[in-house]
Amino acid sequence: SQQGEEDPQALSIQEGENATMNCSYKTSINNLQWYRQNSGRGLVHLILIRSNEREKHSGRLRVTLDTSKKSSSLLITASRAADTASYFCATEVTGGGNKLTFGTGTQLKVEL
Amino acid sequence: DTEVTQTPKHLVMGMTNKKSLKCEQHMGHRAMYWYKQKAKKPPELMFVYSYEKLSINESVPSRFSPECPNSSLLNLHLHALQPEDSALYLCASSPPNTRNTGELFFGEGSRLTVL
Repeated sequence: SQQGEEDPQALSIQEGENATMNCSYKTSINNLQWYRQNSGRGLVHLILIRSNEREKHSGRLRVTLDTSKKSSSLLITASRAADTASYFCATEVTGGGNKLTFGTGTQLKVEL
Repeated sequence: DTEVTQTPKHLVMGMTNKKSLKCEQHMGHRAMYWYKQKAKKPPELMFVYSYEKLSINESVPSRFSPECPNSSLLNLHLHALQPEDSALYLCASSPPNTRNTGELFFGEGSRLTVL
């Protein structure tokens, strides 16, 4: 399966700290995306990084992609209680058509 | 309008019922998706429609029947479901792009309970 594996499965930090979550996948990809999901709600797109990119920033988010290791990381800086959510990486396999496959997810809890 | 709207938000049905989930977007997106998500699990792809044609069916049982009446609407018809089909059903859409998928826009989901 192409499904990404994320670690850690759960992460609990204090407000103001940085949160890092990692995603590993198995085959070559067109792009890798990160999504956030608040409990029982729909997913919200955070950032997309293409296979020829190594790093991307968006506000307090920083994403890296290492295609040689088939891995990506999402860093959230200066976390806030409102960042509490589940975070999923999603990959589009090369030649896979409109098929986006989600990783196992990281549950982030940011405490006051 | 940057929303994907799903109705109903909650649905309870018996195993002999026939019901439908509906999804609508007015962003001009030409790819639409159904995902199924069980509690504490990632979304799993069920179907993809591209330009109103079914392009991907992830070996979903025939008791789930998708329909794309036009470029703005996506339905999921449900018949003879099992209790294990209880889940959050998520609809998504993405802009037309022949090279790759790009960002998906998700609705808030329909929470389905099968009794």
